[in-house]
Amino acid sequence: QSVLTQPPSASGTPGQGVTVSCSGSSFNIGRNYVYWYRHLPGTAPKLLIYKNDQRPSGVPDRFSGSKSGTSASLAISGLRSEDEADYYCAAWDDTLSGPVFGGGTKLTVL
Amino acid sequence: EVQLLQSGGGLVQPGGSLRLSCAASGFTFSSFAMSWVRQAPGKGLEWVSAISGSSGSTHYADSVKGRFTISRDNSKTTLYLQMNSLRAEDTAVYFCAKQEYGGNWGALSDYWGQGTLVTVSS
Repeated sequence: QSVLTQPPSASGTPGQGVTVSCSGSSFNIGRNYVYWYRHLPGTAPKLLIYKNDQRPSGVPDRFSGSKSGTSASLAISGLRSEDEADYYCAAWDDTLSGPVFGGGTKLTVL
Repeated sequence: EVQLLQSGGGLVQPGGSLRLSCAASGFTFSSFAMSWVRQAPGKGLEWVSAISGSSGSTHYADSVKGRFTISRDNSKTTLYLQMNSLRAEDTAVYFCAKQEYGGNWGALSDYWGQGTLVTVSS
């Protein structure tokens, strides 16, 4: 199983908001930045949030990240059909000396 | 625009070898560490290997250490992953990724390739 824990699925209706959680440990989320990626199968994963709460240029402000202790969250407001994708959290792990990932959350827009 | 174009996947028998390539453009390739991440069918992402910008240091997950070799040719702006002694559990989509900042390995990635499927089966 993945080092970081995410719910396998999440859903919402257009216009609603949804939050995806990510839980880790003191060796990863607890002492390092959290990143979030969006992935559609067959395409390149895309960086959504870096350093806990920073958005790369071009990412809408509907996407926001936060971190508290050994947990992090990705919030998406004003859901759109094109938000349907798999969302992964990631963080550097000091014991691995490399990145660890969540198992991914499949977002469905009903 | 940063682009990472992957090639080299396919079907290989257990014990066989395969080399993946990742052609980079749109950034100063030698200034950034690069890595490989894989996703087995129905599973999450798993970091596999990384290399510093100068090729001075390489890093591997325990699951591939001694079997996989990461390398890069900065003159060709291309990243490689040589995979030997392949096992069924190596079956996955393999992604190359650019580190967000710096030439030394130690940060997460900002750009990823499109992925290439490696299937290990007899």
